[in-house]
Amino acid sequence: DADVTQTPRNRITKTGKRIMLECSQTKGHDRMYWYRQDPGLGLRLIYYSFDVKDINKGEISDGYSVSRQAQAKFSLSLESAIPNQTALYFCATSDLSSGSDEQFFGPGTRLTVL
Amino acid sequence: QKEVEQNSGPLSVPEGAIASLNCTYSDRGSQSFFWYRQYSGKSPELIMFIYSNGDKEDGRFTAQLNKASQYVSLLIRDSQPSDSATYLCAVTNSGYALNFGKGTSLLVTP
Repeated sequence: DADVTQTPRNRITKTGKRIMLECSQTKGHDRMYWYRQDPGLGLRLIYYSFDVKDINKGEISDGYSVSRQAQAKFSLSLESAIPNQTALYFCATSDLSSGSDEQFFGPGTRLTVL
Repeated sequence: QKEVEQNSGPLSVPEGAIASLNCTYSDRGSQSFFWYRQYSGKSPELIMFIYSNGDKEDGRFTAQLNKASQYVSLLIRDSQPSDSATYLCAVTNSGYALNFGKGTSLLVTP
């Protein structure tokens, strides 16, 4: 089984709908991240969480919210989806206790907002 | 704004040649440096990390770091068509989230 999973893998929705993307990990890592990737723009950080009670905004948090339900689960919500939120979304994890900032990525969710 | 800059490419090299990928960063406090490889539509996977000035080798890959010049590079020796991908440079002031460059597209031609 994959260490970092994302659901759904693909989603097509309409403008104005509420969407939740979910991320789960079995790596036991304390830190979790949400990124979006657009062609030519690289990976941009939306939100990150260093533990269950610690949530931080990233570079492009407007229009998004997150919930860290447990150490292993980190969800990203689009309260009212708009077409420019069409992108590939990645969840990632890292482990503070490892002494490394290496991040491990999930398989991604391709979201299309019509 | 902390910047990580990469040439978008595409960088085209013949099979068997050395591919050289470059990255510059603006935050002088940066302490950890990563190279990720990403195939189209797939998630990034770690290739190399480097923390200290100098070279670090792992198989066909060598990462080079020069903190004074705020420059990190990745060399791929004996390039193979399977190395064709986008290479992402990522930088962090340890303990914080990674800051990614936009990536360099590498094409290895048979």
